[in-house]
Amino acid sequence: GAVVSQHPSRVICKSGTSVKIECRSLDFQATTMFWYRQFPKQSLMLMATSNEGSKATYEQGVEKDKFLINHASLTLSTLTVTSAHPEDSSFYICSAEVQGDGEKLFFGSGTQLSVL
Amino acid sequence: EDKVVQSPLSLVVHEGDTVTLNCSYEVTNFRSLLWYKQEKKAPTFLFMLTSSGIEKKSGRLSSILDKKELFSILNITATQTGDSAVYLCAYLSGTYKYIFGTGTRLKVLA
Repeated sequence: GAVVSQHPSRVICKSGTSVKIECRSLDFQATTMFWYRQFPKQSLMLMATSNEGSKATYEQGVEKDKFLINHASLTLSTLTVTSAHPEDSSFYICSAEVQGDGEKLFFGSGTQLSVL
Repeated sequence: EDKVVQSPLSLVVHEGDTVTLNCSYEVTNFRSLLWYKQEKKAPTFLFMLTSSGIEKKSGRLSSILDKKELFSILNITATQTGDSAVYLCAYLSGTYKYIFGTGTRLKVLA
């Protein structure tokens, strides 16, 4: 299956700092990537849809100035959590759509963000 | 509002048991329904269903979709401890968003 690489897997930062998370499609081109957030024992909540070469589409209630998404190439999307606060602590996971054999979603390994 | 509801929320069984996980949805412009298994980190793809009544199988796992009644089931036969995980269903909407259900947490005891 398709491989999606996400880094870092874990990050601990101080309140007020910014954190960048990278999501790469390793063996395919991804014009669309999705960013999800997951709280403990809860499901995946879609934050935004990242489109290569254009602005991301954010879900209702997600602050676009806080969660900056850049999709500059067909294999890389980044999520930057700006001025992080403890309430931003969560598991962030990216995914990319693989077309050709129906539309399937493949996930990165996720990033556990802890803001002190 | 589009939504996906899974049941049960959690389930504990013994090795060898058969389990049925349910996923019901209310969506507009349905395109497909997908099942994923999440153990620790990344969900792994299990099935994608687009047509009613056609069962998809992979080893001990199988799944089927009923587009008239708006639900899907995931069956696991002869469960093993390695099947312990959270099982997520998701739909792909007409606006090309993948929306996930609440998940079913399955624990298989030895």
